[in-house]
Formats: sequence, structure tokens, C-alpha cells
Amino acid sequence: RKEVEQDPGPFNVPEGATVAFNCTYSNSASQSFFWYRQDCRKEPKLLMSVYSSGNEDGRFTAQLNRASQYISLLIRDSKLSDSATYLCVVNMDTNAGKSTFGDGTTLTVKP
Amino acid sequence: SAVISQKPSRDICQRGTSLTIQCQVDSQVTMMFWYRQQPGQSLTLIATANQGSEATYESGFVIDKFPISRPNLTFSTLTVSNMSPEDSSIYLCSAQTDNYGYTFGSGTRLTVV
Repeated sequence: RKEVEQDPGPFNVPEGATVAFNCTYSNSASQSFFWYRQDCRKEPKLLMSVYSSGNEDGRFTAQLNRASQYISLLIRDSKLSDSATYLCVVNMDTNAGKSTFGDGTTLTVKP
Repeated sequence: SAVISQKPSRDICQRGTSLTIQCQVDSQVTMMFWYRQQPGQSLTLIATANQGSEATYESGFVIDKFPISRPNLTFSTLTVSNMSPEDSSIYLCSAQTDNYGYTFGSGTRLTVV
């Protein structure tokens, strides 16, 4: 079993749709969690951190369920520019700095 | 957040040769990381580079193949040695530049022929 597993995708949705991605992690001692976005042929960029209380940034909502060891990302009112690969990232220790990446979920938003 | 400049952005190299990739951070960072990303796959950590000590390599990666330098808190290099076509990949450096998340260099797209 992989340390971090994501929905395989791809997700193809129309503009304006709401789409949700899930990610599970195997190590219950994991400390910090992130969603990154990677555009084609570009480097990953931090989209948002994921907090236990859940957090929202505009159309994006991230949630963490420690008991079930999963993280979610919800995108509302999808835009064409949201098309990208979304990477779930888990850190064992915020000070150690070593991240484990999921394989990513590809989202394509169509007109 | 900090900016990481990575170069070269791409290269085509002959098998058996070596390529050194450089990353420059515009602020001091304790740890830098080197990743490899095969086409269509996620990132795999090669090693963690700390200033003043030898890099720590992940399983499947060795210093002779991927020597790393970290001469100061803003700079690191990764060398891909004795390259073969299987080394063709995107190589990315990153650093933790604030309390949350990491910043990446723009990547080096390496093709070995």
C-alpha cells in the first residue's frame, strides 16, 4: 500500500461544477498536510495547507479527518483555469521537512 | 514566499556523461530537497541536503550516482552521474521557505540519448 493514495481520476467536469478529491495516508503519525497544484510541464505550487479544523480559501475548501486518515479538497464553481493535476502531500514531521507526495489527480474543466 | 531559481531548465545529454543542476534560493533555508518526477508520475524524493553535512539519500538513490553539494544556506547542486536513458526525467529542488509548505524550483527536464 502506498503511503499517500489519491483518487486516480481523471476528472472531467463542466465549468461551474463542484468537484471533490480525496486522499488517504497510511501513517497515523503524519503531522502536516497540503494540497499542491501542478500545471502541465511546470513545478508544483502550494495551493493550501490542510488544518484539522478545515480551511477555506475562496472556492477551495480543504478538510482533514485524522481518525479516518484522509484529506479532501473541494472546488466549487470550477473554472477552466482550475484544470491541473492536484497533489496531496503529507509530512511526517514539520521540522524534518520530508514530504510524501500522492500520485496526483488530474482535473480537466471543460466549457 | 521565497523564490528558487533552478538551472538549466532543460538539457539533452549523451549517455555516460554527467549533468549538474543548480538551485539558488533568495533567502536562507535550513534544508533543501531534490526530487525526481518521471513522466505522468508524482514526485520521488532523492535526497535531503543540509548545509554543512552530507546529504541524506532515500532508498534506491546513492551518493555515487547523485552527488549533492550544499555549500551554504542558499544554494545546492545535484549531479546526475554516468547518465543512462533511464535517468531521463524532471528533476526538482525544493525548500521549506515558511512554516507551511514548500517552494519548488522550476525543474530541469533531462533527456539522455
